[in-house]
Amino acid sequence: ETGVTQTPRHLVMGMTNKKSLKCEQHLGHNAMYWYKQSAKKPLELMFVYSLEERVENNSVPSRFSPECPNSSHLFLHLHTLQPEDSALYLCASSHRTSGRGGAYEQYFGPGTRLTVT
Amino acid sequence: GENVEQHPSTLSVQEGDSAVIKCTYSDSASNYFPWYKQELGKGPQLIIDIRSNVGEKKDQRIAVTLNKTAKHFSLHITETQPEDSAVYFCAASGAGGGADGLTFGKGTHLIIQP
Repeated sequence: ETGVTQTPRHLVMGMTNKKSLKCEQHLGHNAMYWYKQSAKKPLELMFVYSLEERVENNSVPSRFSPECPNSSHLFLHLHTLQPEDSALYLCASSHRTSGRGGAYEQYFGPGTRLTVT
Repeated sequence: GENVEQHPSTLSVQEGDSAVIKCTYSDSASNYFPWYKQELGKGPQLIIDIRSNVGEKKDQRIAVTLNKTAKHFSLHITETQPEDSAVYFCAASGAGGGADGLTFGKGTHLIIQP
């Protein structure tokens, strides 16, 4: 449970606010991910970072801005969100090699429950 | 892109009985299939996974089978216990040309009746 931590665990923000979600992994991994989990929908991949470079942006609106300053930390900066952005935001990490080396096990944090009012 | 279908959405079984959850995937290039268990208020926890060069894998009461030809894989839980009650997700990955993000099914709410 403590391998991937996320803060805050709960966040309520207005549509004009700016906030950031933080994720930290203590597993020695070199890839990190943001997922969105909404009610009645599958977990949706948002961003992938490998070796601190963004390698995938899954058509996410620009009001979500990720940042990966090093291999242990990942942020998701939020601004001018909409009520439909309310969801559980999950961070995950894994080992990853370059090229088509195949997927590695991903370990998830507990998530940040975001409510946009 | 990859599409993963999962059934059933809800499964209720008597304690001690077996539970089976099934998933299908669309991209024949996918080569990694994990299963996650999510309890209320927690993030998904990896419980077992299988790669496309293997047909079956077991870990105590949990097993996963993979049929590459039919593009489906299943989770089997035997001798179910109350602590098995949770939402279970299947996922597929490995076909993205280097991107390893997972594509998830919609989840199965498993209820163990005492």
